[in-house]
Amino acid sequence: DAGITQSPRHKVTETGTPVTLRCHQTENHRYMYWYRQDPGHGLRLIHYSYGVKDTDKGEVSDGYSVSRSKTEDFLLTLESATSSQTSVYFCAISEPQNIQYFGAGTRLSVL
Amino acid sequence: AQSVTQLGSHVSVSEGALVLLRCNYSSSVPPYLFWYVQYPNQGLQLLLKYTSAATLVKGINGFEAEFKKSETSFHLTKPSAHMSDAAEYFCAVSDRGGNTGKLIFGQGTTLQVKP
Repeated sequence: DAGITQSPRHKVTETGTPVTLRCHQTENHRYMYWYRQDPGHGLRLIHYSYGVKDTDKGEVSDGYSVSRSKTEDFLLTLESATSSQTSVYFCAISEPQNIQYFGAGTRLSVL
Repeated sequence: AQSVTQLGSHVSVSEGALVLLRCNYSSSVPPYLFWYVQYPNQGLQLLLKYTSAATLVKGINGFEAEFKKSETSFHLTKPSAHMSDAAEYFCAVSDRGGNTGKLIFGQGTTLQVKP
């Protein structure tokens, strides 16, 4: 257990509303990641962070923003949710040799 | 650019039969390679990793994988499937020399185990 907690675990929202997902870690890892999982696509990287206030885009970053004001928290925000953002979102941390450990996921439905 | 291809989105085996899940990668630099397993409604769990010189890697639950540089492959095997092995499996590659820790995942293979 890498001490990763995602909240909420499930969320249903309407198109056009803002949504923030939270990832909390307890073990002071420098690197944190947000992925989305969709059938047939595996996991795709949205954004990642390499330190407090240091973030960068992944392969599917359009429509998403992130913030990391503390080492332990990495927030993913959908400024105006769309139906195409219905997905399962996973947070991960990275240890040496790029071994990643994942949270339990957040299932988001945008209606 | 790195990429991962998992051959077969669905694999079905009988209980007790050999499990073989295929993964081929593309990388311009020596990679780290990983297999993850995901049980229904759960996060991803690390099965095994190739990060050092040993090309045959043993993981949890009796799984193992062999890194073959000449074939750019990292196939996952288990001699005898158990019903509890039914899950989705993901292969992932990472740049050994990079400083971002990013992983590139394959699209996943769902393993079905028939009684």
